[in-house]
Amino acid sequence: DAGITQSPRHKVTETGTPVTLRCHQTENHRYMYWYRQDPGHGLRLIHYSYGVKDTDKGEVSDGYSVSRSKTEDFLLTLESATSSQTSVYFCAISDRAGGYTDTQYFGPGTRLTVL
Amino acid sequence: QKEVEQDPGPLSVPEGAIVSLNCTYSNSAFQYFMWYRQYSRKGPELLMYTYSSGNKEDGRFTAQVDKSSKYISLFIRDSQPSDSATYLCAMSGGGGATNKLIFGTGTLLAVQP
Repeated sequence: DAGITQSPRHKVTETGTPVTLRCHQTENHRYMYWYRQDPGHGLRLIHYSYGVKDTDKGEVSDGYSVSRSKTEDFLLTLESATSSQTSVYFCAISDRAGGYTDTQYFGPGTRLTVL
Repeated sequence: QKEVEQDPGPLSVPEGAIVSLNCTYSNSAFQYFMWYRQYSRKGPELLMYTYSSGNKEDGRFTAQVDKSSKYISLFIRDSQPSDSATYLCAMSGGGGATNKLIFGTGTLLAVQP
């Protein structure tokens, strides 16, 4: 497996509380991504980062923010969790070596339940 | 209409069967095509990667791309129970800082012993 860890792996929280998920990589890859995976929707991009302090929105960014202060860490924050954010969250990394495509490698996922 | 369409299955086959998994897409700019395999409660893992049209073979797995029809396929020969997983297709246009992967919704495959 690519050196990607996610924490926590499971979390149950209540509506309205803030939640932060962490992605940590040991591959020194430049690009990092946060996805959510829901039945019938597949993987949807929330936010991504193309370098330290460089981030941008994905397809489903509303209600989420991210930060990347170090190459190895990418944080996803739900400022005020809602039940619609119950999902499995995956972090992915990519180095786009040689300028080729965005082949991404995924972490093990975080299962988040918002009650 | 989604950019990438994939039959969700489930697809159930007996051990040893040949499996065909497919995706169609609408964006003619896609040049890079990938198949990911995802076991239950695990992260997706890259299985096959293909650039532009043509075939690529890796052991029991063959990936085909037909850009004229905007159709990609993954064939699994001599399927095994260990192949039981969800298979996700993914594609991108390649290049550029904002280039991103677009995923299909995944096909659930069950190989019966």
